[in-house]
Amino acid sequence: GNSVTQMEGPVTLSEEAFLTINCTYTATGYPSLFWYVQYPGEGLQLLLKATKADDKGSNKGFEATYRKETTSFHLEKGSVQVSDSAVYFCALKLGRIGADGLTFGKGTHLIIQP
Amino acid sequence: DAGVIQSPRHEVTEMGQEVTLRCKPISGHDYLFWYRQTMMRGLELLIYFNNNVPIDDSGMPEDRFSAKMPNASFSTLKIQPSEPRDSAVYFCASTRRGEGPQHFGDGTRLSIL
Repeated sequence: GNSVTQMEGPVTLSEEAFLTINCTYTATGYPSLFWYVQYPGEGLQLLLKATKADDKGSNKGFEATYRKETTSFHLEKGSVQVSDSAVYFCALKLGRIGADGLTFGKGTHLIIQP
Repeated sequence: DAGVIQSPRHEVTEMGQEVTLRCKPISGHDYLFWYRQTMMRGLELLIYFNNNVPIDDSGMPEDRFSAKMPNASFSTLKIQPSEPRDSAVYFCASTRRGEGPQHFGDGTRLSIL
């Protein structure tokens, strides 16, 4: 079956630190990969996506590269801010974008301290 | 533009009661998804619809759970009878096929006492 594995949290960093949240996946086909962010009391928001190998998704200073050889999609940011504190979910989807449900990782709670 | 709208935001009820969660997708979106989020299991897909028709309900945990989509702008998720283990945050999401990923509502936090 399909699954997504994320590093467990919480991850606590100081402001301006470098961030990496690891994500690896298993899939029966060739998935699209996503990172979603959930702020307290809110729903999930798409942060970035990649649809094929070696694609790099980027948004708000966050980046992730689709690595087929290592089945990974690690999230990185060069300098985090307190406002980045949230729960981050890695997800995959088989089939065309928009169709079929997402398979999510358990989420990684990120805490940024001033 | 209005996003996905869910109601209620919070629901607290006693075991055995019927619970109805509501969702209004983004106008023009033809796919609608219901997810459940718990600490133990994370986010799980329960069911999704395409053009108001249920496509995959394999994630619905038990017969106590049912979902309907009577028209393109409204869906319900019903639990009858409810049990404490149903306590979770339930999310609705929608998308337009081939034009990007899913947009989530703010969720309904359900507590069954």
